[in-house]
Amino acid sequence: DAKTTQPNSMESNEEEPVHLPCNHSTISGTDYIHWYRQLPSQGPEYVIHGLTSNVNNRMASLAIAEDRKSSTLILHRATLRDAAVYYCILYQTSYDKVIFGPGTSLSVIP
Amino acid sequence: DSGVTQTPKHLITATGQRVTLRCSPRSGDLSVYWYQQSLDQGLQFLIQYYNGEERAKGNILERFSAQQFPDLHSELNLSSLELGDSALYFCASNRNTGELFFGEGSRLTVL
Repeated sequence: DAKTTQPNSMESNEEEPVHLPCNHSTISGTDYIHWYRQLPSQGPEYVIHGLTSNVNNRMASLAIAEDRKSSTLILHRATLRDAAVYYCILYQTSYDKVIFGPGTSLSVIP
Repeated sequence: DSGVTQTPKHLITATGQRVTLRCSPRSGDLSVYWYQQSLDQGLQFLIQYYNGEERAKGNILERFSAQQFPDLHSELNLSSLELGDSALYFCASNRNTGELFFGEGSRLTVL
């Protein structure tokens, strides 16, 4: 079973920031927080991951709560190409099942 | 391009038939994961292999089986196909760094 909960859907206006929340209250100390996104008719693609500290890359930023029970994926300026389903998952190198929940379907309004 | 290759991209077959889906992981990746995604559904974890050995099983039906070969490519065999097996089947690989690389999927249609 998925260990994360996310809103089913969110909307954003184009060129505005988007904050996608994820709750993972049962996270263990060795779980990494990973985000993936799936564009229509494509396989999921990796976006970003982190353990404790906030992370930035060319695609997005990941803000992790101090207690690690929640995190937020931040898209700084949403574009129409960012319309996708975003998945937040927990990953351990020793944990073999990588389970995806339903994710958040992000719509971007022009 | 993720570096993960899946064939065939599309497959149409009839109920009761058997098909084999193939996955070539990225060079050097030892783990292969299989997922099923039905229309408007999420990704259902089926099975994982690591360096030729089955590592984890998810909601994989008994009619389905998989294996990973010495060259690390993997095959997912689906038999006695039913209409409900129509779905996208994704393969992913990783190198224990956590980041999964997904193929473009094999779209199976059972008529």
